[in-house]
Formats: sequence, structure tokens, C-alpha cells
Amino acid sequence: DTGVSQDPRHKITKRGQNVTFRCDPISEHNRLYWYRQTLGQGPEFLTYFQNEAQLEKSRLLSDRFSAERPKGSFSTLEIQRTEQGDSAMYLCASSRWTGISYEQYFGPGTRLTVT
Amino acid sequence: DQQVKQNSPSLSVQEGRISILNCDYTNSMFDYFLWYKKYPAEGPTFLISISSIKDKNEDGRFTVFLNKSAKHLSLHIVPSQPGDSAVYFCAANVNQAGTALIFGKGTTLSVSS
Repeated sequence: DTGVSQDPRHKITKRGQNVTFRCDPISEHNRLYWYRQTLGQGPEFLTYFQNEAQLEKSRLLSDRFSAERPKGSFSTLEIQRTEQGDSAMYLCASSRWTGISYEQYFGPGTRLTVT
Repeated sequence: DQQVKQNSPSLSVQEGRISILNCDYTNSMFDYFLWYKKYPAEGPTFLISISSIKDKNEDGRFTVFLNKSAKHLSLHIVPSQPGDSAVYFCAANVNQAGTALIFGKGTTLSVSS
């Protein structure tokens, strides 16, 4: 099964440290999305790429967050100077046009805990 | 403000009976709706979707109904099975454009045998 994969699955870091997460989408999918999910909430959109171009960013994506997809394949999400409020599940999804819609397929997520 | 609302945090159903999960939305620009299922420690899994040009879409035990005038959709699971126990998220999109999905907070379904 070549679904969406994310690495690491869990990350514990101290406040003020930088962290980087990786997402590998389904190989034929040209769109890649990042979402954040906190306890009791649904996923909240952060940003998305079409190929290597970052087309949309949410206002949730503060200037401490940066995402890249340099070759239009895998993507990284970096959080600088982490804060306790950054503790959440970070979800990556990918999609392609099916002829009817873009259906987003999610990875297992990276759970970040900032102490 | 929440554009997609799932007002029931939880639902308990007996095996073999029907589960009905509800979702309301406020943004009249939404024209594509999806349901996802999520097990603990996993990412959301796509279940079924519906375009605003339809009022019903069926896939096996899962049927989604859309009432555009009421800005309401529902997911019916018949018959319910214990393996259906999970958190169900309703999500919406504009113009099937493949951009940001707007999610509700989810409903936890428990199916007892």
C-alpha cells in the first residue's frame, strides 16, 4: 500500500526548539495539504501545494511556520521557536483530480508535544 | 465562527441498527461535501462524498443525503457494525476546487454488539 506517509509519528520537544516534519504523498497526487488537529476539534487547514507551488496559506500559519515542497514530491513543515500552543496532531493529505473531484487522502499524522 | 457544525458529539447504536450522523453548514458557497472516519492514532479515512447537484449518494452500507435548502447533510450507516465505531467528520469545500476542506468537530459513533 503506497498511501500518504509521515515522519516522525511522534515528536516531543522543549519550548523554543525548532522541529521539522516530513510528508510523502501518494505518488501520482499533485496536490499536497497540511492540516493541524487539536483535541476535540476537526482538522484545520494550514497550507497546500500544487506540485512545488504553495498556492494557499491559512492565517493559522504564523511566520514561525514554513512549508516547502521543493521538487513537487515530498513536503516538509518546519515550526521555529515552538510554543506550548503548537502541541497538536499535524496531518498531511494528498489528492489528484479524479474527473469529478479532488478527494483528499490523509496520512497517519505527526503528534507534536511541546513541553 | 464555525462554518460546518456537527452538533452531536457522540452517538450510540446497537449492531444491525441504523446510524444517522448529522451535519449543518452555514456557507452557501459550499458545494461539495465529504465524510471521513477516524480511528485513534490514525489519520482520517475518506468514506463518501456528495456534490451539491445531487441530493443522495450511496456506497454500500453508507448513504449521504444533502438538503441544500436547509444547509444540512446526513450520513446513514445501515446496518451498523462494531467496526464502524470511530469519530466521523463532516467536511465541505467550494466548487470541488480541491483547496482547503472545512471540517466539523466530529461525532463519536459507538456501535455495541
